[in-house]
Amino acid sequence: DAKTTQPPSMDCAEGRAANLPCNHSTISGNEYVYWYRQIHSQGPQYIIHGLKNNETNEMASLIITEDRKSSTLILPHATLRDTAVYYCIVRRNNNDMRFGAGTRLTVKP
Amino acid sequence: DVKVTQSSRYLVKRTGEKVFLECVQDMDHENMFWYRQDPGLGLRLIYFSYDVKMKEKGDIPEGYSVSREKKERFSLILESASTNQTSMYLCASSLSGSTDTQYFGPGTRLTVL
Repeated sequence: DAKTTQPPSMDCAEGRAANLPCNHSTISGNEYVYWYRQIHSQGPQYIIHGLKNNETNEMASLIITEDRKSSTLILPHATLRDTAVYYCIVRRNNNDMRFGAGTRLTVKP
Repeated sequence: DVKVTQSSRYLVKRTGEKVFLECVQDMDHENMFWYRQDPGLGLRLIYFSYDVKMKEKGDIPEGYSVSREKKERFSLILESASTNQTSMYLCASSLSGSTDTQYFGPGTRLTVL
């Protein structure tokens, strides 16, 4: 009963922007879009989240389409340390933090 | 910065042993969570706690129990470890609301022989 669809893998050149898409066509009005990443053998790291508006913080930008059926996480200048699995999650409450398979992003020199 | 720490990064136990996994957060968060992560299955919620001495079952509580005697500490207990409990165990905490951001610890990789 996955709520999100992400490509299994993506590559990005170091220094370029990494744009990671996520489809969440069945999202409800009170569900947030969260992004986490997980570097090998470590715990998930929170990146950003949003409800309707685009959001930006020191790590990334989150672009949510007007109909909220999809979103894109943007890492503006990817580095080798950004190589990780990126998870897009739609979430209503604490019981809804369901991580899917994510996108394995590889940043190449 | 939120800091969530877990007592061990790697742990090896034998079938039938009682296992304690400890988690401590230093941000005065009300909510704490235990997940396990297995290849192909993503993260699955075992138990969570909204307050001291409070606990709620998650999706897969069977074979586990928890203890929250102090606000900053949340323990996961495997009463009698079994090989199918070999997994990565992740602790998380969040402020107080049901939609507050969860922050994760580094994880404990438990192997049950």
